[in-house]
Amino acid sequence: QTVVTQEPSLTVSPGGTVTLTCASGTGAVTSDYYANWFQQKPGQAPRALIYSTSKRHSWTPARFSGSLLGGKAALTLSGVQPDDEAEYYCLLYYGGAPVFGGGTKLTVL
Amino acid sequence: EVQLVESGGGLVQPGGSLRLSCAASGFIFSNYWMSWVRQAPGKGLEWVANIKEDGSEKYYVDSVKGRFTISRDNSKNSLYLQMNSLRAEDTAVYYCARSTVTNIPYWGQGTLVTVSS
Repeated sequence: QTVVTQEPSLTVSPGGTVTLTCASGTGAVTSDYYANWFQQKPGQAPRALIYSTSKRHSWTPARFSGSLLGGKAALTLSGVQPDDEAEYYCLLYYGGAPVFGGGTKLTVL
Repeated sequence: EVQLVESGGGLVQPGGSLRLSCAASGFIFSNYWMSWVRQAPGKGLEWVANIKEDGSEKYYVDSVKGRFTISRDNSKNSLYLQMNSLRAEDTAVYYCARSTVTNIPYWGQGTLVTVSS
């Protein structure tokens, strides 16, 4: 099965900016992988943030943005708030079969 | 408001079977793909299966092929996951999700399946 790789953990200061990345084991991530990003807090279901690389859902705050960066999908959080501390998962589509990354634990400190 | 409510989880012995259900409301169920995603305790998310609006296409992760069957009843606004030959590694919270071919915007709260003797 295809491996999707994320940073295991990142730390950011309140008000700062941080970029999480998502790499494909098959090569460069392109828009054809329709990258999705999800936020999950302990004891809660995942919440969708970004789809099709860079599109926000109607409920997604503008401080979350998605892009392609250096052959990877990327999620950038600007003006980070304490409430953004969570696990973040990316999802890539491989011909209809989606594969999640292992997740990035984001600490706001 | 989109609502997805899973049920049917519980404790089952290895080799046993379980059927999960997901009751959908707040949207036209028959217009959307649906998915199951699971999360083992303390682990990450794993997509399990999805099914087209009319049930004509179904896809599975390799680890459950031949053991799990996804189905739906559009007249009852319900999604199902029949799980047979269960293994310890199938222990997880199973989430029902409304999806498209390129994203998974809406999730239920999940139901826990524990496979143990």
